[in-house]
Amino acid sequence: DAKTTQPTSMDCAEGRAANLPCNHSTISGNEYVYWYRQIHSQGPQYIIHGLKNNETNEMASLIITEDRKSSTLILPHATLRDTAVYYCIVRVDLGGRGGKLIFGQGTELSVKP
Amino acid sequence: EPEVTQTPSHQVTQMGQEVILRCVPISNHLYFYWYRQILGQKVEFLVSFYNNEISEKSEIFDDQFSVERPDGSNFTLKIRSTKLEDSAMYFCASRRRNNEQFFGPGTRLTVL
Repeated sequence: DAKTTQPTSMDCAEGRAANLPCNHSTISGNEYVYWYRQIHSQGPQYIIHGLKNNETNEMASLIITEDRKSSTLILPHATLRDTAVYYCIVRVDLGGRGGKLIFGQGTELSVKP
Repeated sequence: EPEVTQTPSHQVTQMGQEVILRCVPISNHLYFYWYRQILGQKVEFLVSFYNNEISEKSEIFDDQFSVERPDGSNFTLKIRSTKLEDSAMYFCASRRRNNEQFFGPGTRLTVL
């Protein structure tokens, strides 16, 4: 699975958009980009994933560059409850056996009033 | 909305004792996982389980660890003889084919 690089920490004002970048320059053609978050020692929570098209769900948007070497997770209107560690994970979506997630250090997002 | 549950939420044990951590995955999920997180460190993969056998395990998952799905609903992690360094949060996760993993709230294991 490709390695990812994320900033260690970021701040965001409440109500503003939070844009969390991730570099995955060694990503291969069959690898997906997944985003999870962990709120203060709770279990990680799935946010969104994508292959090459931009994706949006009720939680966030995922923008993947055309060359797929980087992506940005966007929380459109951050709230204090979005304060968490955000993990960008790249892996092959096997659909079958396996599917382990390899977590890095992630980005610690602090949403401030 | 269905969720993964784990019991107990906190387990305190003496070094050398056996512990069993329990998980109830989401009912129609097929793939099951255990992860751990030592305080202040990354979430680490331990083992994946499918069709009643281990699919993959990490270097952490040595002979002291075992997993079982005894009755079609529970998924357990056993540590045979706990060590101080086994103190961590242990997370269970499950998924359907092709879908994202759903994590439980974790069990905090403290080894004294």
